[in-house]
Amino acid sequence: EVQLVESGGGLVQPGRSLRLSCTASGFIFGDYAMSWVRQAPGKGLEWVGFISSKTYGGTTENAASVKGRFTISRDDSKSIAYLQMNSLKTEDTAVYYCTRVGRNGYNKGDYWGQGALVTVSS
Amino acid sequence: EIVLTQSPGTLSLSPGERATLSCRASQSVSSSFLAWYQQKPGQAPRLLIYGASSRATGIPDRFSGSGSGTDFILTISRLEPEDFAVYYCQQYGSSPLTFGGGTKVEIK
Repeated sequence: EVQLVESGGGLVQPGRSLRLSCTASGFIFGDYAMSWVRQAPGKGLEWVGFISSKTYGGTTENAASVKGRFTISRDDSKSIAYLQMNSLKTEDTAVYYCTRVGRNGYNKGDYWGQGALVTVSS
Repeated sequence: EIVLTQSPGTLSLSPGERATLSCRASQSVSSSFLAWYQQKPGQAPRLLIYGASSRATGIPDRFSGSGSGTDFILTISRLEPEDFAVYYCQQYGSSPLTFGGGTKVEIK
C-alpha cells in the first residue's frame, strides 16, 4: 500500500525557517518524482514545486511565489522528500501536501499525504 | 502561466442528478495533461481523472472526463451522497503546474 506521511509542521515566526519531511512507503521511491502542493486556510490548491527522479537528473522546479526561498530535495536511501522553507512569510501559512508524481515531475499526483500544517505568525 | 478557470463556483444538486463541471484553460494544455481531483473537508485531495479522460485506480465509472485543448469537462453521471465535495482541475503539461479555483458540489 502506498503511503506518504508528512512531518515537521508547526508554528514559526516570520523570517524563520522550517523543514518538512515526506516519508514514503509501499513503492520504489527512487522511480518517482515527488511534488509539494499547499492549501491556505479556506483556499484552493497551489502547486509549490517538484523534484524529479534521479533518472531525470533529480531536477527541481518551483512556483514563482517560493522561488529562492523554498528548496526541494530527496534522499532515496531513506525514501524521504524534503521541503526546506526559508524566509517564511505569513502568506506561507497553509497545509502542505506531498504527492507522488511521474518520473519527470510533469505528471498528476496519484497519491497524497495527509498534509502538514505550517503556521507563520509572530 | 496557464490559468485554469472552473465553473460554476458552486453547483447545488440532489443525489441521483447529473453534475457537469467545467475547466477552461487560458492556453492549450499540452497532450491533454489535465487532471481532476476531489477533496472532502479535512481530507487530502484524491485523483479522479488524468490525461483528461482516464479514470484513476478505483474510481467509479460514474465519473468521466472529456475535452482537449482549452476546454475540459468532468461529469458525474448520478450523484451519490459521498460525491458532495470540492473538485479541482490541474494542468501538468507545463511549468508552473496550475490548479483551477475549484467547484463545490453541494446538496440541494
